Amino acid sequence: TQLLEQSPQFLSIQEGENLTVYCNSSSVFSSLQWYRQEPGEGPVLLVTVVTGGEVKKLKRLTFQFGDARKDSSLHITAAQPGDTGLYLCAGALGGYQKVTFGIGTKLQVIP
Amino acid sequence: GAGVSQSPRYKVAKRGQDVALRCDPISGHVSLFWYQQALGQGPEFLTYFQNEAQLDKSGLPSDRFFAERPEGSVSTLKIQRTQQEDSAVYLCASSRVVGGPGETQYFGPGTRLLVL
Repeated sequence: TQLLEQSPQFLSIQEGENLTVYCNSSSVFSSLQWYRQEPGEGPVLLVTVVTGGEVKKLKRLTFQFGDARKDSSLHITAAQPGDTGLYLCAGALGGYQKVTFGIGTKLQVIP
Repeated sequence: GAGVSQSPRYKVAKRGQDVALRCDPISGHVSLFWYQQALGQGPEFLTYFQNEAQLDKSGLPSDRFFAERPEGSVSTLKIQRTQQEDSAVYLCASSRVVGGPGETQYFGPGTRLLVL
């Protein structure tokens, strides 16, 4: 059983479409992070959310942390082929920042 | 250095062989993590170092796995008597300080291990 459930696991969309990826858990996290990973590379941090209800924007990406700090979403507006990759959410339960990753959402944006 | 580096990038081992995977963290980073990422999965925590001290090894799957960071910088993950189920990408990450919500972990490119 995954501590963090991500959905959908696979998503293939046309360039210009919008999409939302979800990350859910029954645990409360001190912080939640979103990473993007490309084949053959390690994950690269996109954003960290810390406060319940927090919303952060990174260009066309909008990240939201749930009020109870148990879930998060990533919304991409007007997806581009360069957005293709594996999107991972990871929750930290406190202390030294040991994080637990979700299974990831594999996004393909078709030109 | 500019980022976290790992070597080798690829390793093919025969079942039963011992392997050693190296991680060079960003200079001055206190915390170092090892993760295992199986195909189609997210990374799973293996172990954590704060300087040279291994403070958490709860994720190591068996006593065949051993990690060290003797001088608080470079770390080595050793797998003895490799098994086919050890095939995965092994990721190393480092962070500047200890703890605190939102402390960024910087990942290396990983070592892809294939056990035949």
